[in-house]
Amino acid sequence: RKEVEQDPGPFNVPEGATVAFNCTYSNSASQSFFWYRQDCRKEPKLLMSVYSSGNEDGRFTAQLNRASQYISLLIRDSKLSDSATYLCVVKNQGGKLIFGQGTELSVKP
Amino acid sequence: DGGITQSPKYLFRKEGQNVTLSCEQNLNHDAMYWYRQDPGQGLRLIYYSQIVNDFQKGDIAEGYSVSREKKESFPLTVTSAQKNPTAFYLCASSSPGDTGELFFGEGSRLTVL
Repeated sequence: RKEVEQDPGPFNVPEGATVAFNCTYSNSASQSFFWYRQDCRKEPKLLMSVYSSGNEDGRFTAQLNRASQYISLLIRDSKLSDSATYLCVVKNQGGKLIFGQGTELSVKP
Repeated sequence: DGGITQSPKYLFRKEGQNVTLSCEQNLNHDAMYWYRQDPGQGLRLIYYSQIVNDFQKGDIAEGYSVSREKKESFPLTVTSAQKNPTAFYLCASSSPGDTGELFFGEGSRLTVL
């Protein structure tokens, strides 16, 4: 089993749709969680950290369920510019950052 | 401006040659990382370093070597022992603590002919 697993993609959605990505992690001692965005042939960039109580940044909402070892990212009112690959990242207690394989999102007009 | 600089951006090499990819940061971060990304896949950790003069193997360290003689620099050598070296290589650093964000360089795209 991979340490971090994401929903297989790609997700093809119309503009304005709500889309949710899921991510599970296997190490219960993992301490920090992040969502990154990666545009084609570019470096990943931090989208948002994921806090225990859940957090929102504009149209983006991230949630963490430690009991189920599960992280989610919800994007509301999708824009064309949201098209990218979304990477779930988990940092374990040793400082090692583990990436999921990424979920590709394509928002169509 | 603070950031991470990787060089070269594109590199072509013949099979059997060692290649060194440069990574320099001026963010004063202790931790630095090297990842490899293959088409349609996520990032896989090659090596990471939490502090100067110390580094640990990641998940796919075979065929690679690193050094961390200075805080600012974490070069990666792709040796001839690496069976499939053609890939996109990303260097990153992170700020201290568990909430540290990863800052990436723009990547180095290595093609072995």
